[in-house]
Amino acid sequence: DAGVIQSPRHEVTEMGQEVTLRCKPISGHNSLFWYRQTMMRGLELLIYFNNNVPIDDSGMPEDRFSAKMPNASFSTLKIQPSEPRDSAVYFCASSLVGQVTSFFGQGTRLTVV
Amino acid sequence: KNEVEQSPQNLTAQEGEFITINCSYSVGISALHWLQQHPGGGIVSLFMLSSGKKKHGRLIATINIQEKHSSLHITASHPRDSAVYICAFNPPLHSGGGADGLTFGKGTHLIIQP
Repeated sequence: DAGVIQSPRHEVTEMGQEVTLRCKPISGHNSLFWYRQTMMRGLELLIYFNNNVPIDDSGMPEDRFSAKMPNASFSTLKIQPSEPRDSAVYFCASSLVGQVTSFFGQGTRLTVV
Repeated sequence: KNEVEQSPQNLTAQEGEFITINCSYSVGISALHWLQQHPGGGIVSLFMLSSGKKKHGRLIATINIQEKHSSLHITASHPRDSAVYICAFNPPLHSGGGADGLTFGKGTHLIIQP
């Protein structure tokens, strides 16, 4: 298996633009997690899905952030409109429901200028 | 209040030294993880443990559930061990069987000099 695949690896966008980050979990995994890493706050859980259903989105910073998982093999994290303070590395991870071992993607480094 | 505290935040050591990184947590957990993040940014899971001790090559992880404390040890450290080491935990599994997301420490930035 290729592991968790995130795209793009790097994204530079202007403030106010919409940004969409993509994640393909490991085949067969049915839990998917979105994390954000910043220098100030370290790694934080944004939202996670079990069986394509959002379970906990309390980590989503504000309404500008939204996440979807239309099927078991694809998820998106969207920021609209983007702001410079959204600049961070966004990680996606997947696991099997009930298992605590998560596998991380390589991350998307987002820069909002 | 941080639920996970790591120490030290930064550590520079000479090649060959024995390294210890500590992690304390303040809540109930179902599992504790040690992750490694290299300068390129990718995160690799080193250990997942809920009791006792695990060893993989030169790396050893221990956990004391009663004291809510875990340590990561590196024996015969090498410059390629230079990375950020992150402690993280899962909360107790809920009745639905789902695994909640990880809560992370701030990480320990380790530099091993030749």
